[in-house]
Amino acid sequence: QLQLQESGPGLVKPSETLSLTCTVSGGSISSSSYYWGWIRQPPGKGLEWIGSIYYSGSTYYNPSLKSRVTISVDTSKNQFSLKLSSVTAADTAVYYCARRWGAAIDYWGQGTLVTVSS
Amino acid sequence: QPVLTQSSSASASLGSSVKLTCTLSSGHSSYIIAWHQQQPGKAPRYLMKLEGSGSYNKGSGVPDRFSGSSSGADRYLTISNLHSEDEADYYCETWDSNSWVFGGGTKLTVL
Repeated sequence: QLQLQESGPGLVKPSETLSLTCTVSGGSISSSSYYWGWIRQPPGKGLEWIGSIYYSGSTYYNPSLKSRVTISVDTSKNQFSLKLSSVTAADTAVYYCARRWGAAIDYWGQGTLVTVSS
Repeated sequence: QPVLTQSSSASASLGSSVKLTCTLSSGHSSYIIAWHQQQPGKAPRYLMKLEGSGSYNKGSGVPDRFSGSSSGADRYLTISNLHSEDEADYYCETWDSNSWVFGGGTKLTVL
């Protein structure tokens, strides 16, 4: 059974960079069938796609966040990572990693709450 | 890029059925979508992939009570014999030109 697990600091100061890692177990991140992505959910709100990556390293970002987002993949560790720079309180959210197989997201991580506060 | 429109809320009685709608924007009526369930305090869970033909493929372990159907630009999720644990937020999502798109979600209350 595939599992995705987010990890990283739960508290980030304003103007600093948020860094999270998603570790994939039970399957290979290097498969050509899948895309891997980051999604966030502010408290009490809906889901927002941040960006995604293919195992080859090709990246795709939400235009509204593109200037602050970097997503990378480490196939040797079966992990992919998110960096979001210059964070503000508006970036406080639960951050999820997920796998896309064709037209559907079919696996989600459990999510991790990141709070931006001094 | 498609826009997915969902009603913000729905309610139905325990043991009854409910049909949730996700509407694709103009020009995107043929798109495949997926439905996800998010119970309170939990991560979303994949329910099914749903085509414009009405054909659907459910995720592992999704009860038979959950089914999908389509009509034009509308994609439906029907939950039969509602259980209390079906009270959750339901999101539709799709993919276009390497962008992932989400509907605003429907909060389902089981009375």
